[in-house]
Amino acid sequence: QVQLVQSGAEVKQPGASVKVSCKASGYTFTGYYIHWLRQAPGQGLEWLGWIKPRSGATKDAQKFQGRVTMTRDTSITTAYMELSRLRTDDTAVYYCARDSCSGDCYSGSFDYWGQGTLVTVSS
Amino acid sequence: SYEVTQAPSVSVSPGQTARISCSGDALPKQYAHWYQQKPGQAPVVVIYKDSERPSGIPERFSGSSSGTTVTLTITGVQPEDEADYYCQSADSSGTYVVFGGGTKLTVL
Repeated sequence: QVQLVQSGAEVKQPGASVKVSCKASGYTFTGYYIHWLRQAPGQGLEWLGWIKPRSGATKDAQKFQGRVTMTRDTSITTAYMELSRLRTDDTAVYYCARDSCSGDCYSGSFDYWGQGTLVTVSS
Repeated sequence: SYEVTQAPSVSVSPGQTARISCSGDALPKQYAHWYQQKPGQAPVVVIYKDSERPSGIPERFSGSSSGTTVTLTITGVQPEDEADYYCQSADSSGTYVVFGGGTKLTVL
């Protein structure tokens, strides 16, 4: 069965960076885009960007350009999202999610989600 | 930047029909998808590509599209349908993903 398992909670100081991992299993990792999203406490969902695991190509949301870096390691079927220059308003649960389109294509919708990683930014 | 808009809350009694709408200028061009999120859980897709229902999602969930508005309909609402529902689509170029602010469905 498809699973996306994320790394554990993090506490960071303002100005630091955080790197969240997303271990995929149960499907061909290179066949599906991986998206990153977040949800601040009591707020709605926000999209950060995607990575195409086959090539490593990425697309960031305009709001996060220059601060977010998405990478992957195909040998261990894991995607990573690093957010730099953290601010207190970056406190959120961060999710990875698989794009619904099979066969190395893009749909912009999400069929499987990780369990979420709480990142707390506080001095 | 492009936005899609949802009402913040909808309330219905069990067995009634709930309709949650989402509006945006690019919706005639871009598909909309709907996610259900219960407290402390990751979202789950209940409708994709405007009106397609994933396997395992009850038939009472349906979606429709008309012009710049898409609608999630839950026919015969059950207490377990109480949740936040998010509309999701893309800008007119299809490049950037956007979410509505979410609609809290309360089952009275």
